[in-house]
Amino acid sequence: GIQVEQSPPDLILQEGANSTLRCNFSDSVNNLQWFHQNPWGQLINLFYIPSGTKQNGRLSATTVATERYSLLYISSSQTTDSGVYFCAVDVAAGNKLTFGGGTRVLVKP
Amino acid sequence: GAVVSQHPSRVICKSGTSVKIECRSLDFQATTMFWYRQFPKQSLMLMATSNEGSKATYEQGVEKDKFLINHASLTLSTLTVTSAHPEDSSFYICSARGGGEEFGANEKLFFGSGTQLSVL
Repeated sequence: GIQVEQSPPDLILQEGANSTLRCNFSDSVNNLQWFHQNPWGQLINLFYIPSGTKQNGRLSATTVATERYSLLYISSSQTTDSGVYFCAVDVAAGNKLTFGGGTRVLVKP
Repeated sequence: GAVVSQHPSRVICKSGTSVKIECRSLDFQATTMFWYRQFPKQSLMLMATSNEGSKATYEQGVEKDKFLINHASLTLSTLTVTSAHPEDSSFYICSARGGGEEFGANEKLFFGSGTQLSVL
């Protein structure tokens, strides 16, 4: 099956800092989504982005499908950005997403 | 975004008992729901795909007789962990697909808040 690798595995940021999270995948994908899991376990859908660039407030994402990677940018980080960020992909249209290992982010005040 | 409600949020049970977890899409119809399992500090693993009106499709290695899934309506899927044992203790999360363009894209996945199962 498809392999999804995220880097870095852990990230500690000072409040206000910017950061970039990376997701590499081993095959062409039809579906790519970024999620944020808060410390209580709730997953929030951040972006549906199989290709191209999207922005939502302080977050933006870019997927370069031909090179099989996606980037999530966090600007002016806040303590509420802490949690785990997951990239998930599917090679087909069925939404059977395969999740990467996640990037655990801690934003310190 | 679309709202998916999952109950209970936490359950503690004795070994050998069965536990039912409910997953509801509150503001959209979900023909397909997914059930995931997550161990502490690990990623999500897909257990099964639940389709309204038909049998669930289980991932390799997931016991269908242990994890019973019923998707009786377009807004409700249930996961029953039968004869639970301590090794079944985990965080179970449901998700629903779609919601239409109103929620950004029909392919977006929305998650319930999860159920922490502890089997004594």
